[in-house]
Amino acid sequence: DQQVKQNSPSLSVQEGRISILNCDYTNSMFDYFLWYKKYPAEGPTFLISISSIKDKNEDGRFTVFLNKSAKHLSLHIVPSQPGDSAVYFCAASANPFSGGYNKLIFGAGTRLAVHP
Amino acid sequence: NAGVTQTPKFQVLKTGQSMTLQCAQDMNHNSMYWYRQDPGMGLRLIYYSASEGTTDKGEVPNGYNVSRLNKREFSLRLESAAPSQTSVYFCASRPGQSNQPQHFGDGTRLSIL
Repeated sequence: DQQVKQNSPSLSVQEGRISILNCDYTNSMFDYFLWYKKYPAEGPTFLISISSIKDKNEDGRFTVFLNKSAKHLSLHIVPSQPGDSAVYFCAASANPFSGGYNKLIFGAGTRLAVHP
Repeated sequence: NAGVTQTPKFQVLKTGQSMTLQCAQDMNHNSMYWYRQDPGMGLRLIYYSASEGTTDKGEVPNGYNVSRLNKREFSLRLESAAPSQTSVYFCASRPGQSNQPQHFGDGTRLSIL
């Protein structure tokens, strides 16, 4: 039973255009969401996060949107660059007072390819 | 500026052999984690240590043991390796306060024949 789902295994985008990566979750207790980026033979690198009290968080070219009613979040990359080509993982965790921030649940990842 | 260091990077074992994966962080983080990643799946938490002296089970703890040796080091042990434990193992750490992200090492690729 996957609690965090990334339904698109891959995405191809032209350089300079917008990349939109999607993530759905089923556990309504999740209150903190993160995106990680992973290059081959390296560990995941933290990209951006959002708390459930917000619906948007921006950091440079990266914006994460959270729709709690739909249990959906998305990562927008504008403009996309060839160096953004990587696997992107969505992750979620529950209320910290139950130790939940120690327990990240990851999606299966989306492989983004940005081509010139 | 090492961050989280995992050793070894690669290992091949035979079924039934034992093995300890090492992890050390130099960021003075309180919490440390072990994950496994299998093809087509996200990372799954095996065990974690919220603070020095404590360890707790994650999603997939069966077949593994852990030791939080000190604040810097957190090891993962396979007592009797099985082919189903062939995976890439990642160690992570985070400060431990509130909702700060985890920082990952570059992984150990483990194959069990």
